[in-house]
Amino acid sequence: DGGITQSPKYLFRKEGQNVTLSCEQNLNHDAMYWYRQDPGQGLRLIYYSQIVNDFQKGDIAEGYSVSREKKESFPLTVTSAQKNPTAFYLCASSREGANEKLFFGSGTQLSVL
Amino acid sequence: GQNIDQPTEMTATEGAIVQINCTYQTSGFNGLFWYQQHAGEAPTFLSYNVLDGLEEKGRFSSFLSRSKGYSYLLLKELQMKDSASYLCAGRMDSNYQLIWGAGTKLIIKP
Repeated sequence: DGGITQSPKYLFRKEGQNVTLSCEQNLNHDAMYWYRQDPGQGLRLIYYSQIVNDFQKGDIAEGYSVSREKKESFPLTVTSAQKNPTAFYLCASSREGANEKLFFGSGTQLSVL
Repeated sequence: GQNIDQPTEMTATEGAIVQINCTYQTSGFNGLFWYQQHAGEAPTFLSYNVLDGLEEKGRFSSFLSRSKGYSYLLLKELQMKDSASYLCAGRMDSNYQLIWGAGTKLIIKP
């Protein structure tokens, strides 16, 4: 079955540590996105990528980094520069741009130890 | 900046009808999405309206008025499994970004 897979489901970060969230899709979608979801707020875009080897900052990119070396994969690294990383992180993909519906992964809950 | 507003929480009874509203500033948007999200899970696509009017898909319908900056999601014959958060998102004219509302948590009671 085609879909988008995020791992791990739960992740704990120690102070000063970088952690990487995995996102893989086998939908053959060109566009991929990372969102952060906090209680009581709308989804906020961290980074997005429309094609391989290219990505753009979203509204809250500071303290995060991404890569898009393969069409299927769009990992997100939460760096030690992100001072408030506790949130639910959602990866999504779409065939093209924002006029296409998004397919979401099941999310990663990141917490700080 | 652009804002999208929706009620924080709503309660309805199993078998009834509920309407979840979403309002936004009229300039700069081109189309509106609705997604359903069960707690701790991925949002799933429900509808996308780009033209004014009502679109019906089984028990769920979505309405858009671009001139009024207003949309609603109508859920009929409510079932317990409809208990979830409902997210609306406006598509910006200018770029790939969506602007998301904070979501409406719908609680269904027997």
